[in-house]
Order: sequence, then C-alpha cells, then structure tokens
Amino acid sequence: NAGVTQTPKFQVLKTGQSMTLQCAQDMNHEYMSWYRQDPGMGLRLIHYSVGAGITDQGEVPNGYNVSRSTTEDFPLRLLSAAPSQTSVYFCASSTERSSGNTIYFGEGSWLTVV
Amino acid sequence: AQTVTQSQPEMSVQEAETVTLSCTYDTSESDYYLFWYKQPPSRQMILVIRQEAYKQQNATENRFSVNFQKAAKSFSLKISDSQLGDAAMYFCAYRSWGGSEKLVFGKGTKLTVNP
Repeated sequence: NAGVTQTPKFQVLKTGQSMTLQCAQDMNHEYMSWYRQDPGMGLRLIHYSVGAGITDQGEVPNGYNVSRSTTEDFPLRLLSAAPSQTSVYFCASSTERSSGNTIYFGEGSWLTVV
Repeated sequence: AQTVTQSQPEMSVQEAETVTLSCTYDTSESDYYLFWYKQPPSRQMILVIRQEAYKQQNATENRFSVNFQKAAKSFSLKISDSQLGDAAMYFCAYRSWGGSEKLVFGKGTKLTVNP
C-alpha cells in the first residue's frame, strides 16, 4: 500500500539548474497537488490537477511547471532553480469518490538551492 | 480568498493534561471542510481530525476533539490526556466543498509536551 510516493527525498541544486520532483500515487485519485513549506509557514499551494491533462496554478506558481499525462503521476519541474526555492515540497492526492475527502500527503522532498 | 489564522505560534502542556489550540478562518462560502494536521519532526503530514461545515456536531477522534463555531469562524483543537508523542507542529487547514484539492493552511502551532 504505497499511497503517495515522492522522489527524491533530498536534493541539492546549484542556482540556475533545472530538476524534476516526481510524485506518484496508486489510489486512482483524480486530484493531485504540490505544496511547499517554508520556515514559519504552513504549506502553500504551487500547482494542482483535477485530472489527467488538467492543471492549474495555486498560490505560488512562479518558477515551477507541471503536467499530468497520467492519473498516477504529477511531476513538478523547477525550470531555473533559485535560492528562494529552497524548501520542503509535498505532493498530495485525493478523490471526491469516497466520503470524507481525505487528502493523502507524500513524505516530502527537501530541496536546497545554493 | 480564504485565510486561516493560528494565533499561537507555540504552546506547551504537561503530560496527561489538556490543551486547546486555536484556529480562526475567513470565508464567504457556506459549505467547506476544516482539518487539523499534525507534523512531527519527520515532516510527515498526519491527519488528526476533520470537520464538515454542514455538521453541527463537533468531530471527535479518541483524545482529539474540536470546538467548531461556524458563526464565529472558529475551529479549535482540544487534546486530552496529552502524551509525549503528541509533541509536533499542528496545522489548521481549510478546503472548499467539492472541486479541487486546494488546502489553505495556517502557519502552525508548535506543541511541546513536558514530562
């Protein structure tokens, strides 16, 4: 029962480099999203998707790109990493088909940009 | 846009005692969900309790209960018989009814449990 799986767990990038954070879920959830968590802050929404082929911006989308080609996967791309993107990133998924609308989170990806 | 405010950056409680964490929110919607999440040092996000706004009865999960005051837009979390394992960051979160997966979080309350 994998749930939401994020990779990598830790990553150090140099300013200007690009990379992709991977997120996969095995629960056939239609909704997936990415959040970032900075010190002293709660989680803030970066991008979200309500189904394959459909994505939209959240509160802090600048510098990030997403796509949703399958129900299972929702990668987050950093186009040109900046120190301000140093953060902990969480992927989440949920479905409207079950009662309670529980949102399942991955274990987080620690990203440092130097 | 909805906002969530947690006015207590830090709280402490003695083991076996009761503590209440505060949360207020602002919304113009009538139907929505409210959540409390626990985040231990591992950073894992753990759902503690959930409340549907249309339900008048306050949600309860074992030692955790909420005081949901819809008119006052208040959603506090009460932890009874506090245990050392309850020490963590606690986040209050808001989600609109239906549609997307957009959660709006407060900034969190760090709970310390003293033996």
